Amino acid sequence: GAGVSQTPSNKVTEKGKYVELRCDPISGHTALYWYRQSLGQGPEFLIYFQGTGAADDSGLPNDRFFAVRPEGSVSTLKIQRTERGDSAVYLCASSLTPLIGELFFGEGSRLTVL
Amino acid sequence: QKEVEQNSGPLSVPEGAIASLNCTYSDRVSQSFFWYRQYSGKSPELIMSIYSNGDKEDGRFTAQLNKASQYVSLLIRDSQPSDSATYLCAVKNQGGKLIFGQGTELSVKP
Repeated sequence: GAGVSQTPSNKVTEKGKYVELRCDPISGHTALYWYRQSLGQGPEFLIYFQGTGAADDSGLPNDRFFAVRPEGSVSTLKIQRTERGDSAVYLCASSLTPLIGELFFGEGSRLTVL
Repeated sequence: QKEVEQNSGPLSVPEGAIASLNCTYSDRVSQSFFWYRQYSGKSPELIMSIYSNGDKEDGRFTAQLNKASQYVSLLIRDSQPSDSATYLCAVKNQGGKLIFGQGTELSVKP
């Protein structure tokens, strides 16, 4: 596709439920990043992939959060047992390689946990 | 100490003035530095990248990098109301991880 695509754009769920957020990067971009952004804050790094493998997952807040990228393209961020504090905009970005720093962002998935 | 620090603002400048945005970072071996602009309700978009000490100019924007002082800045000349946004400083480490500051909100008054 022409840009980074994220679905859903908006997700409302109840505390304790399981959520999946999907990201389809720019074609040919090998690096894929996930960030979380709360109101008034900068994007908070969660994880990034180089190809199929997680190159750095140091930002995942706890074991309720998990991300995969099985074929080196589309990625899914999975959140188990959601909590109200998980409410935020989840941003996905891709870049040609991790060494070439320009990241191109999707429009984000807004998650609201009631 | 935060890895990337910015003043949150808001920074208010009159139309036509120079806006100066500053950022410091803690990882001395960082290699790549970026400024992103984020309009309210939108995603960040890249406006400048800089990799070596000194100045880099692109139109009305100038990025400045001083690795010895671990300092990055962005100057916006002839500021326009359309420049009103949050400006995010981002620093990439050798492993490829890109860390953002909290952003500085800029308001350009007509």
